[in-house]
Amino acid sequence: ELKVEQNPLFLSMQEGKNYTIYCNYSTTSDRLYWYRQDPGKSLESLFVLLSNGAVKQEGRLMASLDTKARLSTLHITAAVHDLSATYFCAVGRSPLQGGSEKLVFGKGTKLTVNP
Amino acid sequence: NAGVTQTPKFQVLKTGQSMTLQCAQDMNHNSMYWYRQDPGMGLRLIYYSASEGTTDKGEVPNGYNVSRLNKREFSLRLESAAPSQTSVYFCASTRVGTPTQHFGDGTRLSIL
Repeated sequence: ELKVEQNPLFLSMQEGKNYTIYCNYSTTSDRLYWYRQDPGKSLESLFVLLSNGAVKQEGRLMASLDTKARLSTLHITAAVHDLSATYFCAVGRSPLQGGSEKLVFGKGTKLTVNP
Repeated sequence: NAGVTQTPKFQVLKTGQSMTLQCAQDMNHNSMYWYRQDPGMGLRLIYYSASEGTTDKGEVPNGYNVSRLNKREFSLRLESAAPSQTSVYFCASTRVGTPTQHFGDGTRLSIL
């Protein structure tokens, strides 16, 4: 059974600081997704990582994937208040026809960026 | 440009009542999914439909049924609601060749 663990689950940081959120998973997968969720809102796709060594960056966020270590990281650079949200990683498994697949989500990391 | 639309947005039920949550997407996506989100639990897959005419169980299917009415619509039914089904329900969809799932705004369901 695929298990996905995120840590930390809660993260409070100051504006301007750097930090990393970790996502470990228990069985082999080449596909890893990061989503953002604001309170009371839907999930917004941030990154899709589709191969070992994949790295993607958008603004102050950078995600990477190491499939051999079964680890993905979401690095936050010089945090700003607008990044406050809950971040989920999800691992793809059991590919379905047409390239879609089922996702197993981590429990989420609630990030609070303080002025 | 609606994307994935869920109705209703909020609902309160009494134990034992039945309810159907509706989901429709206008992006010509093939696959559709129903998740539930509980505090501290992330999202868990209830049922999915890889393509029109097919449905299959996810991690937590007990107490639910689904119907893929056509390519656009995928409904989730609670036949006899229980307090343990109090949750936020999200519908998502993907199109062929693109793995990213697009989520609706969710249905907040409380069962008393």
